[in-house]
Amino acid sequence: EPEVTQTPSHQVTQMGQEVILRCVPISNHLYFYWYRQILGQKVEFLVSFYNNEISEKSEIFDDQFSVERPDGSNFTLKIRSTKLEDSAMYFCASSGLKGTDQTFQYGYTFGSGTRLTVV
Amino acid sequence: GNSVTQMEGPVTLSEEAFLTINCTYTATGYPSLFWYVQYPGEGLQLLLKATKADDKGSNKGFEATYRKETTSFHLEKGSVQVSDSAVYFCALIHSGNTGKLIFGQGTTLQVKP
Repeated sequence: EPEVTQTPSHQVTQMGQEVILRCVPISNHLYFYWYRQILGQKVEFLVSFYNNEISEKSEIFDDQFSVERPDGSNFTLKIRSTKLEDSAMYFCASSGLKGTDQTFQYGYTFGSGTRLTVV
Repeated sequence: GNSVTQMEGPVTLSEEAFLTINCTYTATGYPSLFWYVQYPGEGLQLLLKATKADDKGSNKGFEATYRKETTSFHLEKGSVQVSDSAVYFCALIHSGNTGKLIFGQGTTLQVKP
């Protein structure tokens, strides 16, 4: 079964440093997402990406965050200057099969997450 | 706005007990509804879904019925196992948006032998 792959699985960074979290979505999907989950809390939407641009972003996704799909296979989340409160599990997801009407109402495939620890 | 509310946990049950985790939602129109499960140390897995009113989603012995009249999507299982111990998230996607999943706060299930 196709998978969404995220790397690294765990990243530790110093406050103020830039981090890039990487994801390889399912190749024939159209929509890409980042979510985060602070330890013990709910899963929160960060951003959705479609047709090479951001289609929606949350209040959390401020100027410190950016996303990119640089080469047609990778999908990255960059945090420019990390803060302690950015420590969380970050999940990438994709949905929407090309050539079908199966968009997101059928659910997504999530990656296994990157645990970001800011010290 | 759209939102999902789940019953507070943790829920602690003995093996073979009946499970219900309540979920209600607020949304305009006709959202699609989902249950995701997160096993310890792992990511989110889709457990089941329902895309229209009165649909019943089912998987691995779990069931949930999309009830538009009560705006609910309660998760049930007739006989839980220790291996079902996990965090369960109810979620919705609104039909008109960009596919943003809105999650409930999650309910931790602990099943004891």
